[in-house]
Amino acid sequence: EDKVVQSPLSLVVHEGDTVTLNCSYEVTNFRSLLWYKQEKKAPTFLFMLTSSGIEKKSGRLSSILDKKELFSILNITATQTGDSAIYLCAESYGGATNKLIFGTGTLLAVQP
Amino acid sequence: DAGITQSPRYKITETGRQVTLMCHQTWSHSYMFWYRQDLGHGLRLIYYSAAADITDKGEVPDGYVVSRSKTENFPLTLESATRSQTSVYFCASSDPNLDEQFFGPGTRLTVL
Repeated sequence: EDKVVQSPLSLVVHEGDTVTLNCSYEVTNFRSLLWYKQEKKAPTFLFMLTSSGIEKKSGRLSSILDKKELFSILNITATQTGDSAIYLCAESYGGATNKLIFGTGTLLAVQP
Repeated sequence: DAGITQSPRYKITETGRQVTLMCHQTWSHSYMFWYRQDLGHGLRLIYYSAAADITDKGEVPDGYVVSRSKTENFPLTLESATRSQTSVYFCASSDPNLDEQFFGPGTRLTVL
């Protein structure tokens, strides 16, 4: 079964910093790569990436996929304390079943 | 309100007891999923369902049973709870044309 690896496992930054979160995946049955944000509750969807080199952007967050090197990055610019959360990367695989395999997540703490 | 709900939100039980966690969604999504989330493991798929009366095992199905008699409901039963099943359980649903999954608020289960 495919594996998803995220790095770093945790990160502490100060407000205003820019952070880059990494996600590598395996490709056996790859359909798409998804990013979720999880605060003290359910994961909420951020981005879905299917094509290499096309940046998805939402406010201060952006993400890009490299299908040749099998990785994705999530960038957060001008971080705020509200960005503190676990960021989860997931690979969609398995043909017609929409199954996701998740990485263990990156815990981001933004200090004032 | 439309969405995905789980009940109970918190549950404490004893080893050997049967426990059922409920999941209900109002979007008429055909796909539904059960995950458990543990420190160091991220979200792991327990069972999933592509439609009513169609279910299949995920990564960690042992000790769990599911059923899906109606599209909107997907209960998860622990037939004889063990301490290793102490976890946070998330239900999710998705449209078959989209990889994005929508998550319920989670159930925190403690097995003593």
